[in-house]
Amino acid sequence: NAGVMQNPRHLVRRRGQEARLRCSPMKGHSHVYWYRQLPEEGLKFMVYLQKENIIDESGMPKERFSAEFPKEGPSILRIQQVVRGDSAAYFCASSPSAGLNQPQHFGDGTRLSIL
Amino acid sequence: DQQVKQNSPSLSVQEGRISILNCDYTNSMFDYFLWYKKYPAEGPTFLISISSIKDKNEDGRFTVFLNKSAKHLSLHIVPSQPGDSAVYFCAASADFGNEKLTFGTGTRLTIIP
Repeated sequence: NAGVMQNPRHLVRRRGQEARLRCSPMKGHSHVYWYRQLPEEGLKFMVYLQKENIIDESGMPKERFSAEFPKEGPSILRIQQVVRGDSAAYFCASSPSAGLNQPQHFGDGTRLSIL
Repeated sequence: DQQVKQNSPSLSVQEGRISILNCDYTNSMFDYFLWYKKYPAEGPTFLISISSIKDKNEDGRFTVFLNKSAKHLSLHIVPSQPGDSAVYFCAASADFGNEKLTFGTGTRLTIIP
């Protein structure tokens, strides 16, 4: 499967715990975007990363959320001290480059449920 | 501030007929527009896109029209097939070098056999 891979597909956490969501981009893609979808809403941009660099984190909540895309390995979206309002579907997308109007390709998401 | 709007939450179309999904935007800096299709429990799947230098792009049964003066785009699917039943999202990007997408809220299309 050469598509964008996200894991886990479902994640259940209790309030106050940490959630780690992983994303492996398509082969040859070096640009990763994270989006969040709340029930009955569209996807909302969170953060845009290239290898080892955060390019745009304007959509990230100021506290508890962080993202990284290391030189080796998947991109990680980390949510510390989760609260009920963090329950959502988190989607990762990748593209091969920027500035050339190339479509982003999405993974199947991680559905995060907070008890 | 909803910069991309899909005002029809749902649409039902007879199989074989044309489906027309609409999208309006407010940010005049948007220069690249995309349509994605989404099934439940899956990620959005890219369908078709259009650059602001064009007013039409066609790919098989799918055609996207862009009216920049009206800040409006539409997706035409003809003929509609049962497998087209899904939620369709319109998305737009503005910045060269940072194609973060702004999404509409989606339109649920149901194709009636």
